[in-house]
Amino acid sequence: AQSVTQPDIHITVSEGASLELRCNYSYGATPYLFWYVQSPGQGLQLLLKYFSGDTLVQGIKGFEAEFKRSQSSFNLRKPSVHWSDAAEYFCAVIWGNQGGKLIFGQGTELSVKP
Amino acid sequence: DSGVTQTPKHLITATGQRVTLRCSPRSGDLSVYWYQQSLDQGLQFLIQYYNGEERAKGNILERFSAQQFPDLHSELNLSSLELGDSALYFCASSRRQSNAPDTQYFGPGTRLTVL
Repeated sequence: AQSVTQPDIHITVSEGASLELRCNYSYGATPYLFWYVQSPGQGLQLLLKYFSGDTLVQGIKGFEAEFKRSQSSFNLRKPSVHWSDAAEYFCAVIWGNQGGKLIFGQGTELSVKP
Repeated sequence: DSGVTQTPKHLITATGQRVTLRCSPRSGDLSVYWYQQSLDQGLQFLIQYYNGEERAKGNILERFSAQQFPDLHSELNLSSLELGDSALYFCASSRRQSNAPDTQYFGPGTRLTVL
């Protein structure tokens, strides 16, 4: 069955520390991968996406993600977290044979300590 | 600001009632998607329209329906509302002029509370 897993429900990091949010997917078809961020009371903002090509993709706000097909993963990273990064982060996948349906992970809530 | 607009921002209603949520896609986008975000189910795809035609359906209840009009705006109709329908409803849009997956841009959502 199609699924997207974000193993960490909640992560707390100190401001200035590095960050890695994990995302794994399962299914056989070609995945098209996204990371979205949702601030409290806000909609979903696209951080970055991977369709093909270079497996390391750069996004907005200093985020990057790496697609590793062998591990079925698309982890999100940031070298130095800012207090304004506190939000909920969603990994999402469109499978190539499933039209435009985005399948979301459960989300990871990020808290930033001063 | 994604360019996708949704009205109203908040909606409070009673069980058994019917409501309509409205979405205007980004300029030039032909596809509209509806998603429901709830605490127990997370973010769930409901339905997709492309240029006025239904293209994909997810876990959308029979009490829910949607349509996309010639000007490309879309409405999601929820009827016989139950307490469990309380959620944040998102609309997203994309260019989608082919069958290839495309980037979806999300509106701010409509928060529905059923009392």
